[in-house]
Amino acid sequence: SQQGEEDPQALSIQEGENATMNCSYKTSINNLQWYRQNSGRGLVHLILIRSNEREKHSGRLRVTLDTSKKSSSLLITASRAADTASYFCATDGQTGANNLFFGTGTRLTVIP
Amino acid sequence: EAQVTQNPRYLITVTGKKLTVTCSQNMNHEYMSWYRQDPGLGLRQIYYSMNVEVTDKGDVPEGYKVSRKEKRNFPLILESPSPNQTSLYFCASSLTGAEYEQYFGPGTRLTVT
Repeated sequence: SQQGEEDPQALSIQEGENATMNCSYKTSINNLQWYRQNSGRGLVHLILIRSNEREKHSGRLRVTLDTSKKSSSLLITASRAADTASYFCATDGQTGANNLFFGTGTRLTVIP
Repeated sequence: EAQVTQNPRYLITVTGKKLTVTCSQNMNHEYMSWYRQDPGLGLRQIYYSMNVEVTDKGDVPEGYKVSRKEKRNFPLILESPSPNQTSLYFCASSLTGAEYEQYFGPGTRLTVT
């Protein structure tokens, strides 16, 4: 399987702190995406970073990509209780097939 | 409202009884896919479709079938469900492929006894 992995599996922080989660993947990619999932609900797209980009920002989110290490990180700044959710990275295959591979997720808990 | 819908949302069934989970999107997306989510394993892709009558296997296709007769619909069929197919299932769609933002349905929780 080409499934990626997030690290840590779970993260608990105080409101106002920053949260950083990491994703490692196995094959060359075109893009890497981050998604958020509230408990048992559908995933919501957060941000997409292309393989030729190194960093991208969207509001309180900052994503970095290191293709040489096959890894990405998602930083959420000034976290809020409403950020409590699971976060997943997803990668496509560069081979031309249209599979999408999700990581195992990081469960973030933000304590008010 | 742009959305992906799935039905049913919850289903309890018995081993061997054929079932279909429907998925529909109203965004004229070409790409649709099915995932299952299990604790500790994240989401794994079952099948995907690039367009009408074009389907292909994902990571875990065994025990599942799909069809894409219309652009908006992409049903997931379990011909003979087994307990190891108990899971949370998600349908998703995107403009043209895996490299684009995916829009997810609300999920279908399936229990096979």
